[in-house]
Amino acid sequence: GDSVTQMEGPVTLSEEAFLTINCTYTATGYPSLFWYVQYPGEGLQLLLKATKADDKGSNKGFEATYRKETTSFHLEKGSVQVSDSAVYFCALSDRSGKEYGNKLVFGAGTILRVKS
Amino acid sequence: KAGVTQTPRYLIKTRGQQVTLSCSPISGHRSVSWYQQTPGQGLQFLFEYFSETQRNKGNFPGRFSGRQFSNSRSEMNVSTLELGDSALYLCASSSTGVGKAYGYTFGSGTRLTVV
Repeated sequence: GDSVTQMEGPVTLSEEAFLTINCTYTATGYPSLFWYVQYPGEGLQLLLKATKADDKGSNKGFEATYRKETTSFHLEKGSVQVSDSAVYFCALSDRSGKEYGNKLVFGAGTILRVKS
Repeated sequence: KAGVTQTPRYLIKTRGQQVTLSCSPISGHRSVSWYQQTPGQGLQFLFEYFSETQRNKGNFPGRFSGRQFSNSRSEMNVSTLELGDSALYLCASSSTGVGKAYGYTFGSGTRLTVV
């Protein structure tokens, strides 16, 4: 079945450092890809998305490019802030095939800690 | 525009009891999905409803059930609670139709503790 693999955390960075969180996926169909962020005590917030190969999703300085050839969707940010400390989840939703309905498959999540 | 509203935020139940959680989607959204989040298993899909019909179901026992009303509000029920059911239950709504996925908006969740 479909699956998502994220780099293990926690990732600890100093403020203004460059961030990369790796994400690779396995899907039989043609998925949409997402990054969600979860702050302590809260639900998930959609950070960015990409729906087809070579699409680049971006939001709040974060970017990720849908790479079909490497089945990857790595999250990057050029300069992190303390306020970016949270858990980041990579996810996919397979839009093809006979299985109708919206279903997200999540990675295990990566804890990001940014120190001032 | 109001977000996805889940009630209650916190719940403590005893083993063997049953519980009902509620989710009100964003106005106009007809798809509602439920997820369970635990430290050990991460985020797992429970089920998804669209226009009052269950379209997709995850790999959970029959003790977990749900429904959707004509106004798109959804409830999920867990019967005969077990300690392992302690989790954050998240609801997500989407405006998309069959076979497509462009984004989901999540609620803040209901934290269920089973003692």
